[in-house]
Amino acid sequence: NAGVTQTPKFQVLKTGQSMTLQCAQDMNHNSMYWYRQDPGMGLRLIYYSASEGTTDKGEVPNGYNVSRLNKREFSLRLESAAPSQTSVYFCASRDWGQGRRYGYTFGSGTRLTVV
Amino acid sequence: GNSVTQMEGPVTLSEEAFLTINCTYTATGYPSLFWYVQYPGEGLQLLLKATKADDKGSNKGFEATYRKETTSFHLEKGSVQVSDSAVYFCALSEAETSGSRLTFGEGTQLTVNP
Repeated sequence: NAGVTQTPKFQVLKTGQSMTLQCAQDMNHNSMYWYRQDPGMGLRLIYYSASEGTTDKGEVPNGYNVSRLNKREFSLRLESAAPSQTSVYFCASRDWGQGRRYGYTFGSGTRLTVV
Repeated sequence: GNSVTQMEGPVTLSEEAFLTINCTYTATGYPSLFWYVQYPGEGLQLLLKATKADDKGSNKGFEATYRKETTSFHLEKGSVQVSDSAVYFCALSEAETSGSRLTFGEGTQLTVNP
């Protein structure tokens, strides 16, 4: 089925380890986003990519980096994981342009635990 | 900046009860408003939306009306079902540009008991 695919679904890291969360969409969407979800705080934007070749910081970018590899793929990297980065991470994409509005599609999430 | 405030949860109801989840927002412009639903273990799905004042969004028996005068977008359903148990998020998007972003409320956990 068309949509947003995130890998892995679950991950446990030790403090200081690094890892990359992968996200791919097959809907030819222009914009892609990374959010983290924490209890009682809703979803907070980490980074986004308005279009291929651009990336920008969101609300909570510290400790993360991103790469918009091509139009389909947008990865999130934790260089040195910390327990405060324990969260559920969601990737989303959006089709933007004339006649196409508000089409945010979310992946099913990556549950990350840093010990 | 933009912000969204939802009523505190969790909310527990019996089947066929009336549901209201309050949502208020702060925005500098004229945002579009959304309700998203997250079922256990899944990502967020768009439930309904409204793009201008007095618009009513509706889907699956849920409704919400964009009230600019009270900066609110309360979610309602006349008769909830067990299958409605989920987390509900109110959100806004202010700018219709390539970089526009969703700002979310805290989420409200709804449990419906048979």
